[in-house]
Amino acid sequence: DADVTQTPRNRITKTGKRIMLECSQTKGHDRMYWYRQDPGLGLRLIYYSFDVKDINKGEISDGYSVSRQAQAKFSLSLESAIPNQTALYFCATSDLPGTDTGELFFGEGSRLTVL
Amino acid sequence: AQTVTQSQPEMSVQEAETVTLSCTYDTSESDYYLFWYKQPPSRQMILVIRQEAYKQQNATENRFSVNFQKAAKSFSLKISDSQLGDAAMYFCAYTSNSGYALNFGKGTSLLVTP
Repeated sequence: DADVTQTPRNRITKTGKRIMLECSQTKGHDRMYWYRQDPGLGLRLIYYSFDVKDINKGEISDGYSVSRQAQAKFSLSLESAIPNQTALYFCATSDLPGTDTGELFFGEGSRLTVL
Repeated sequence: AQTVTQSQPEMSVQEAETVTLSCTYDTSESDYYLFWYKQPPSRQMILVIRQEAYKQQNATENRFSVNFQKAAKSFSLKISDSQLGDAAMYFCAYTSNSGYALNFGKGTSLLVTP
């Protein structure tokens, strides 16, 4: 099983629908992230969390919300999806500040299409 | 804010040849990490190589090596003996030791031709 698991892997939805992308990890890391990938724009940070009680906005948080249900679970919600939220979404965890390698460990991505 | 710039949207290399992907970054920090991630068509993000800024020696992982120029804030990736399986999107990324997340460049798409 993957260390960082995202569900669903692919989703097609309609404008105005509420969507939740879920992420769970078995790496025991405190830090979790949601990134969005668009062609030509790289990966951009949506939200990040350093523990269950710590949630922070990234550079493109508008239109998104998150929930850190447990150390191992971090969900991303689109309350009312719009077409320009069509993208590939990645959940990731980090071993900072533990072993201090700074590396991100990624899930397999969730491809979201909003029609 | 730290920025990461990859100036080559696309690159092409023949099998068995060597290619270098460029990356520059902007930071006022002295202690940080730099990374190259590979994203093949499977869309999985795979760590290729990592460099700690305090280390002067360039990191090497098999056919992959970096040229880390701290003063110039440059971090290029060299792929030697290119293979068809190296075809992918490559992302350069930065985080400081006091930072909260990785900042990514926009990526370089590498095509490997037979």
